[in-house]
Amino acid sequence: LAKTTQPISMDSYEGQEVNITCSHNNIATNDYITWYQQFPSQGPRFIIQGYKTKVTNEVASLFIPADRKSSTLSLPRVSLSDTAVYYCLVGDDRGSTLGRLYFGRGTQLTVWP
Amino acid sequence: EPEVTQTPSHQVTQMGQEVILRCVPISNHLYFYWYRQILGQKVEFLVSFYNNEISEKSEIFDDQFSVERPDGSNFTLKIRSTKLEDSAMYFCASSDDKNTEAFFGQGTRLTVV
Repeated sequence: LAKTTQPISMDSYEGQEVNITCSHNNIATNDYITWYQQFPSQGPRFIIQGYKTKVTNEVASLFIPADRKSSTLSLPRVSLSDTAVYYCLVGDDRGSTLGRLYFGRGTQLTVWP
Repeated sequence: EPEVTQTPSHQVTQMGQEVILRCVPISNHLYFYWYRQILGQKVEFLVSFYNNEISEKSEIFDDQFSVERPDGSNFTLKIRSTKLEDSAMYFCASSDDKNTEAFFGQGTRLTVV
């Protein structure tokens, strides 16, 4: 399973765009990249998933360069409610092995007014 | 939006007692999971369940743990004889396939005293 490295914490202000980068140098050919979000005392929530290039949904964008050794989660115009821990997961079968998800420490994003 | 529901939200139990944590997964989902998160630690996989049997379990899921799907809607985690170190948030999750996003419940905070 590919190991991921993310910053431990990031700070931003309301209305700014936030980019969280995840390194996964040992990503395998079959691996997808998945991001989850977790608020305090709540379960993780799926944000976005991708394999290559760019994926966008109503919440975020995911940028994956050609070598796929890193990925960047982009949150446009963050608000206070985006304060949460963001996890980057990499693995086969779309981010899991037999459905199992491997969570790292994640990135604590704090949005200030 | 369909959601995974867990009960109770908080349970306090004495060391050595049995506890049962309950979950109602999303109705058309086929894969069910339990995860736990000790305060300040990572989200850790415990077990996955499919077709009325365990499909994978972690090293944490020892003989003290068991899972059951007693009817068509509930999915339970039983801890036979709780230890202080079992104190954690326990999250239930479900997915319609092992390759798709997992939906997590709000969690049960278990406190063993």
